[in-house]
Amino acid sequence: DADVTQTPRNRITKTGKRIMLECSQTKGHDRMYWYRQDPGLGLRLIYYSFDVKDINKGEISDGYSVSRQAQAKFSLSLESAIPNQTALYFCATSRGGSSYEQYFGPGTRLTVT
Amino acid sequence: AQSVTQLDSHVSVSEGTPVLLRCNYSSSYSPSLFWYVQHPNKGLQLLLKYTSAATLVKGINGFEAEFKKSETSFHLTKPSAHMSDAAEYFCVVSDWSAGNQFYFGTGTSLTVIP
Repeated sequence: DADVTQTPRNRITKTGKRIMLECSQTKGHDRMYWYRQDPGLGLRLIYYSFDVKDINKGEISDGYSVSRQAQAKFSLSLESAIPNQTALYFCATSRGGSSYEQYFGPGTRLTVT
Repeated sequence: AQSVTQLDSHVSVSEGTPVLLRCNYSSSYSPSLFWYVQHPNKGLQLLLKYTSAATLVKGINGFEAEFKKSETSFHLTKPSAHMSDAAEYFCVVSDWSAGNQFYFGTGTSLTVIP
C-alpha cells in the first residue's frame, strides 16, 4: 500500500461549490503539507502543519482552509471553488528538520468549471 | 530569503548522451538541497539530496549532483540518458531559517530523443 494516499484522484466541480481533498499517511511523520502545481510554476505551498495543533499558511493560502484531524490525516478545503483553482494538488509528509525529504501522494486533479 | 532557479525550462537530449539540468539557489544558511522527478501523471519521487555531507551526491537511476557553495549551484547530471528519464525535474531548497519549509524551482522538462 502507498505511504501517502489522496482522495479523490480526480474531481470536476462547479464554481461556488465546496470541496474537500483528503490526505492520509502511514509513515508516522509529524509534518504534512498541501501544494498546488500549475504548468510552468512548479509547486506552491498552500498550507503546512508541523503537528496536530500547529497549522500555518503557505505562499498561496487565500481561498483555501485545512484541517489536521490526526497525525495521519490532513484535509484541504475549497470553501467556494473558482475556475483559477483548477490545478493538480499534492499532499506531502516529512520528518522534522530541513534535512529530511518529503514524501508525496499521487496527486488530485481538480477541475472547476 | 530562500529561492531556487532552474535555468532551463526544457532540455532535449539524445538517448545515450549526457544530461545536465541546472539549478541555482539562494539561502541564508547552510541549506539542504533535493532533486525530485515527476513522470507523467505521477507524484514526485526523490532522486537525491544534499545535507552538508559529501558535496558530490549520488542518487537513483544513475543521477548525481554536485553542491558548489561558491557558485550557489546544485546541478543534476547523468552520463547517459535513457528513454525512461523523460520527465519533469524539480530542484528544492530547505533550511532551518525558513521554518524548514521547502522551496521548489519551476521545473525542467527533459525530453529524450531516440
